[in-house]
Amino acid sequence: NAGVTQTPKFQVLKTGQSMTLQCAQDMNHNSMYWYRQDPGMGLRLIYYSASEGTTDKGEVPNGYNVSRLNKREFSLRLESAAPSQTSVYFCASSEWGYTFGSGTRLTVV
Amino acid sequence: QKEVEQNSGPLSVPEGAIASLNCTYSDRGSQSFFWYRQYSGKSPELIMFIYSNGDKEDGRFTAQLNKASQYVSLLIRDSQPSDSATYLCAVNPRNTDKLIFGTGTRLQVFP
Repeated sequence: NAGVTQTPKFQVLKTGQSMTLQCAQDMNHNSMYWYRQDPGMGLRLIYYSASEGTTDKGEVPNGYNVSRLNKREFSLRLESAAPSQTSVYFCASSEWGYTFGSGTRLTVV
Repeated sequence: QKEVEQNSGPLSVPEGAIASLNCTYSDRGSQSFFWYRQYSGKSPELIMFIYSNGDKEDGRFTAQLNKASQYVSLLIRDSQPSDSATYLCAVNPRNTDKLIFGTGTRLQVFP
């Protein structure tokens, strides 16, 4: 019963580097989400996907792109990382109420 | 005005006491309300949800919803040190399956 699996758990990037955060869920949920969590800011929605083949911007989409590869997988890409993207990233899926992955702690130096 | 507001705390209560956590929201048409618990360095986990006015009880937890006043609260009875965590309130606005989160209230239960 894996639920929502995120990789990697930790990552350090240099400014300007790119990377993709992977997320997969095995609960057959239609909806998937990417959030970032920063001290004092709470969880803020970056992008979400209501179903396979659809994606929509959330509250803070700038600097990110997403791909809903299939029903199970929803990836988040940073094309040119900036220090402002240092954060903890959570993927979640839902039918009703969210199940979160374990998070990716990203540091951009 | 933030869409979902919580007092950041910390809220400190002695072991065995009732902890009361509050949350207000701005969208009067919001439909569903959730409480998540997040331990330091971990991901949020769902502990309660409510969508009708009134109280909903689950073990030591009671969620209370008042749509007219636009607030939702979480009561934790017989608080334990293991309840020490940040509690996130989340609201499902109308016509969407997204959740809007508050910034969380840090609860400390001391022995």
